[in-house]
Order: sequence, then C-alpha cells, then structure tokens
Amino acid sequence: LAKTTQPISMDSYEGQEVNITCSHNNIATNDYITWYQQFPSQGPRFIIQGYKTKVTNEVASLFIPADRKSSTLSLPRVSLSDTAVYYCLVVRSNDYKLSFGAGTTVTVRA
Amino acid sequence: DAGITQSPRHKVTETGTPVTLRCHQTENHRYMYWYRQDPGHGLRLIHYSYGVKDTDKGEVSDGYSVSRSKTEDFLLTLESATSSQTSVYFCAIGETGGKEKLFFGSGTQLSVL
Repeated sequence: LAKTTQPISMDSYEGQEVNITCSHNNIATNDYITWYQQFPSQGPRFIIQGYKTKVTNEVASLFIPADRKSSTLSLPRVSLSDTAVYYCLVVRSNDYKLSFGAGTTVTVRA
Repeated sequence: DAGITQSPRHKVTETGTPVTLRCHQTENHRYMYWYRQDPGHGLRLIHYSYGVKDTDKGEVSDGYSVSRSKTEDFLLTLESATSSQTSVYFCAIGETGGKEKLFFGSGTQLSVL
C-alpha cells in the first residue's frame, strides 16, 4: 500500500477551519483514501473516505486532486471537542493489513 | 456504536507471566484485528483474523499469538510478557476487510512491570 505522510501536529482556534494535507505519492488505481479520528482514551473512529474529487459528510470534507497524490481533510469551524489525532490511510479492497502511522495531532484552543 | 467489548480494560502484570486479552463482538463481522498503540508510533497491527481459525501476522507480531475459535471472539496472548509490551491494545472489527471501515473497541491498558 502507498506510504502516507502527514504533519505531526497542528494548532488551531475555535471557529477556524482546519485543513490537514496527506501525501501519498505511490497511490495505486484501486486505492481509496480514508481518514480516522481518535479522541484521547478512545479507539479510532472512521470519519470519511474518498476516491477522487470531493466528498462531504456531517463531520468533514475530503478534497482529492486529479492526480490523487495527496488529499486534504477539511474540518469546518472547529470546536474544542475536535481536538484529536487524525489518521490518513490508503486502503484497497483486497488488503487487510491496514497501517495507521502516527497521525496528525490537532489541538483546538479557545 | 458497534458492539465490541475488550477485556480487561486495565491490567498490570509482571515480566515473564502469560497474559490473554479478549475481544468480543456482537456484529458478526468476519474480520478482527489487534493493534497496539505507543507514543510516537501510532497504531501498529499485531495480528488479524479473516475468519474462524484463520489468522495472519501483522507488522509487530513477535511475542504475540492469537486464536479465533468463534466468530465473536478474538484472543491475543502474550506468552511471556516483557516490559516492551507495555502498551494500549485496541481490537477492531470489519465486515468485509480492506477498504471497508473498521470499528474499534475502547482499548486495554497493559502495564508489564
């Protein structure tokens, strides 16, 4: 699976938009981009997945350019409760060894 | 939330003793995983199962064994615990594996003294 690179940490303030970019230069045709969120003392939680262009749900938006070598998770108008670790994964249907890496620690301040 | 229960939630043990962690699911999902989480390393896959009695190694499987005799239970065993196995252990389940979403348990904090 393609290796992913994302920032170790990001700081933000309440009400701002947070954008986390993940690089995956070696992504393959049948790979999908998936993001998980992990709050302290909890297991990760799936938040969004996409293949190309833009995907939006009630939690976040995922932007994927045409070359798919990177993706950006956008968290609109964050609150203190969005403080968490966010993981970018490249996944495919026939590979079960999902690797999470260190993720991006997002800290939202008042 | 998906029906996943990890037990125990916390355990303190001594070096050299055997330890078994249990993951129980009520979702009838085929795939089950064990991860460990350590500062600076994110989550690392230890072992996973793709069906009853079907298991495979992950990236950090040394010192760990697993068993799955029933769909709902996935056991992780440390045959002889070491201090380097002090960690938070998470179980996850997935319906179809691969790109489908995983659901995680609440974790087990294991301390090996």
